[in-house]
Amino acid sequence: DADVTQTPRNRITKTGKRIMLECSQTKGHDRMYWYRQDPGLGLRLIYYSFDVKDINKGEISDGYSVSRQAQAKFSLSLESAIPNQTALYFCATSVRGRNQPQHFGDGTRLSIL
Amino acid sequence: GENVEQHPSTLSVQEGDSAVIKCTYSDSASNYFPWYKQELGKGPQLIIDIRSNVGEKKDQRIAVTLNKTAKHFSLHITETQPEDSAVYFCAAGYMEYGNKLVFGAGTILRVKS
Repeated sequence: DADVTQTPRNRITKTGKRIMLECSQTKGHDRMYWYRQDPGLGLRLIYYSFDVKDINKGEISDGYSVSRQAQAKFSLSLESAIPNQTALYFCATSVRGRNQPQHFGDGTRLSIL
Repeated sequence: GENVEQHPSTLSVQEGDSAVIKCTYSDSASNYFPWYKQELGKGPQLIIDIRSNVGEKKDQRIAVTLNKTAKHFSLHITETQPEDSAVYFCAAGYMEYGNKLVFGAGTILRVKS
């Protein structure tokens, strides 16, 4: 979905490095999410934000932090990357309210050596 | 918390045949069930969703059925075409607070022409 843009698309880095993945959206949605995708495990929620001042941990938040700089921007950071954080990372957005669909970006493929 | 199981993990069908993917969920409070299609190098795209007050929903060649008593829901694709080849994910959402989704592990669908 071109309305949800993730940068970079690919990143290779070394253990111990600090990494930031960025997500920006032009959909005007209030809610934003970060997921991690691993083969055979589907997508797992890392963090989610309902607005700039409301950030919540998902099921696998350990080792990650986030920043919601504006309604349209939501960044995911790995303070000290480790190899088992190698995965495909997706950002998603949704409008406010119950049972609203989530719209995904095209992902960042992150490899940690 | 919620747990979603998805079967089969891979599915091969002949072009023109039907394909069925099944998911079960554990939390009876879940009330939103989207299905996503993911093509290579892309993020998941919503293809159909169903809410717990509905037993079936159809959109052209795609249909979803929901059995709340048994806590399972299924995706049906009729008259499959090569472009239907992709990874399909089911998800269950419990909306007591926000839009948290729990995803199945995914099904790789191959349509042979």
